[in-house]
Amino acid sequence: ETGVTQTPRHLVMGMTNKKSLKCEQHLGHNAMYWYKQSAKKPLELMFVYNFKEQTENNSVPSRFSPECPNSSHLFLHLHTLQPEDSALYLCASSQGLTTNEKLFFGSGTQLSVL
Amino acid sequence: AQTVTQSQPEMSVQEAETVTLSCTYDTSESDYYLFWYKQPPSRQMILVIRQEAYKQQNATENRFSVNFQKAAKSFSLKISDSQLGDAAMYFCAYRSPIKYSTSGTYKYIFGTGTRLKVLA
Repeated sequence: ETGVTQTPRHLVMGMTNKKSLKCEQHLGHNAMYWYKQSAKKPLELMFVYNFKEQTENNSVPSRFSPECPNSSHLFLHLHTLQPEDSALYLCASSQGLTTNEKLFFGSGTQLSVL
Repeated sequence: AQTVTQSQPEMSVQEAETVTLSCTYDTSESDYYLFWYKQPPSRQMILVIRQEAYKQQNATENRFSVNFQKAAKSFSLKISDSQLGDAAMYFCAYRSPIKYSTSGTYKYIFGTGTRLKVLA
């Protein structure tokens, strides 16, 4: 399998639940990203990892907790979410090294918080 | 701060016709990249076309081409001979030439997207 794979595709959770989103890339990239996509808003960068090290945290609430055990895997742990956190969560990867790099995206996890 | 604006939330085009999607951006940087990404119903965003700001020639990829006006900070996407499979959300994106100092990764800024409908 190639590209960027995200699971689960859909997730419904209550505000007191704990769940995790998973992302895996088979492209040999060094950088991985979490984005939040909400209707009528620009894609919102949440976290960036480069060579497994978290390098950016765009003022994301602590109820979102990322984890990057290696350059191929990225998780987003969720706990005590709010209904306004309902959105499409996209994972992306890039080489992170060259000027002609580009982002490769997964299909996202559609999250609904009840 | 850089911004990307897509002023058309939704567009429609007849099959086989041509449509142009608009994108404007604001930046004080001189050397950057611009992208158009397509997000079909499958939700996976796919790169459609890329333009380097230092290149004056407009990028083309088969039926897709851009009109890059650097001075006007405009980057429109033209889709020729529209097909049903072109129906999707299209996102314009700007990539800064400057990397995040802490990560060594580039900063990408996305617009709000334009939903394209293709009518049979």
